[in-house]
Amino acid sequence: KAGVTQTPRYLIKTRGQQVTLSCSPISGHRSVSWYQQTPGQGLQFLFEYFSETQRNKGNFPGRFSGRQFSNSRSEMNVSTLELGDSALYLCASSSVGTGSNTGELFFGEGSRLTVL
Amino acid sequence: SQQGEEDPQALSIQEGENATMNCSYKTSINNLQWYRQNSGRGLVHLILIRSNEREKHSGRLRVTLDTSKKSSSLLITASRAADTASYFCATDEYDYKLSFGAGTTVTVRA
Repeated sequence: KAGVTQTPRYLIKTRGQQVTLSCSPISGHRSVSWYQQTPGQGLQFLFEYFSETQRNKGNFPGRFSGRQFSNSRSEMNVSTLELGDSALYLCASSSVGTGSNTGELFFGEGSRLTVL
Repeated sequence: SQQGEEDPQALSIQEGENATMNCSYKTSINNLQWYRQNSGRGLVHLILIRSNEREKHSGRLRVTLDTSKKSSSLLITASRAADTASYFCATDEYDYKLSFGAGTTVTVRA
């Protein structure tokens, strides 16, 4: 089985621009989560989607948004980029179902965003 | 916000030695998981221990969980250079997400 695929792997943007990151989960996985990783804040939860529904959202401003498509692929968008948005954005998929428990997460290699 | 606190922040050991790291958390959990991350890459799942389990083994890994103390430990036995990585504990609080600790950076010297 192919793993979780994230694109692009690296990108450089300037303040005020917006960015869209893409994630293709492992085939059959319906849950997709996004995390932001920075040296100062560590791994912070952004959102989780299951069957196109957002089930939880982390404590991030409204500039951060996401969505999931019917094929379980997911995108996240950050508008009006700030310097502090520079981070490694990690997507993870899971085979868990409708229950609220979180099982093993399978992570992609991440999208490294640099904001200048 | 981070649920888990890990100790130590960094650990340097000789190849063949054991490495132990600890994780403390604050609220009730469904399960606790450990992940490894090699520099700047994605996280890899190592082991999951449920709240009703006290100890679990997987290869050279041994994880313990003490829910009364809200703490867990990860032991890596007979370490190898390839074990050099950051290790994170993560807790599942029944809310569709994992809360990660700050991580322990392990360096295994040849």
